[in-house]
Amino acid sequence: QVQLVESGGGVVQPGTSLRLSCAASTFTFRNYAVHWARQTPGKGLEWVALVSYDGGTEHYADSVRGRFSISRDNSKNTVYLQMNSLRLEDTAMYYCARGSGPGSFLILEWGQGTLVTVSS
Amino acid sequence: ENELTQSPGTLSLSPGERATLSCRASQSVGRNYLAWYQQKPGQAPRVLIYGASSRATGIPDRFSGSGSGTDFTLTITRLEPEDFAVYYCQQYAYAPITFGQGTRLEIK
Repeated sequence: QVQLVESGGGVVQPGTSLRLSCAASTFTFRNYAVHWARQTPGKGLEWVALVSYDGGTEHYADSVRGRFSISRDNSKNTVYLQMNSLRLEDTAMYYCARGSGPGSFLILEWGQGTLVTVSS
Repeated sequence: ENELTQSPGTLSLSPGERATLSCRASQSVGRNYLAWYQQKPGQAPRVLIYGASSRATGIPDRFSGSGSGTDFTLTITRLEPEDFAVYYCQQYAYAPITFGQGTRLEIK
């Protein structure tokens, strides 16, 4: 069973920064792309970012490009989402998810999420 | 960005009935890179179908996907009580990856 455990969520003010972490286990982490997606309470899903298996390729949603940065440390089986200049509309449950392959855009496994609330 | 529109927004059916959910893309989904996810309250999404018609591991055969180009369908034959949930389609052919807005399948 693939395990993805997110952490780092919390309540922050607009304009501040937050770093989310996703710790992976039970699979060969370095072989898979990892995504972040988010879901506003009671609303639908929005894909946020993707990092390839080796960290060499990143993709971002237009809504976060230039503010968020995804990275990974394969020695720690961990992916990070650095979120800067946070806005009220960034409030959401943030999910870490594993791709189906090294650079895959298909999401096969999801973590349970960490909640980020941006509020003044 | 390839916008996905799901219909209906809410579908009310009884256990044992057949459910047909639609997903229409604003642009052709290359190589049929279209997936369907199920989400229950308080849980993360779960992949059901990928490649428009391939069932993910462990997914019962009452779930099936079809379609190509811009029009895709998720069919659930003989609804079970545990099937009542929200369903999302997703295109993963190109970045940005996009999701539909979801179809809520509720018990009639």
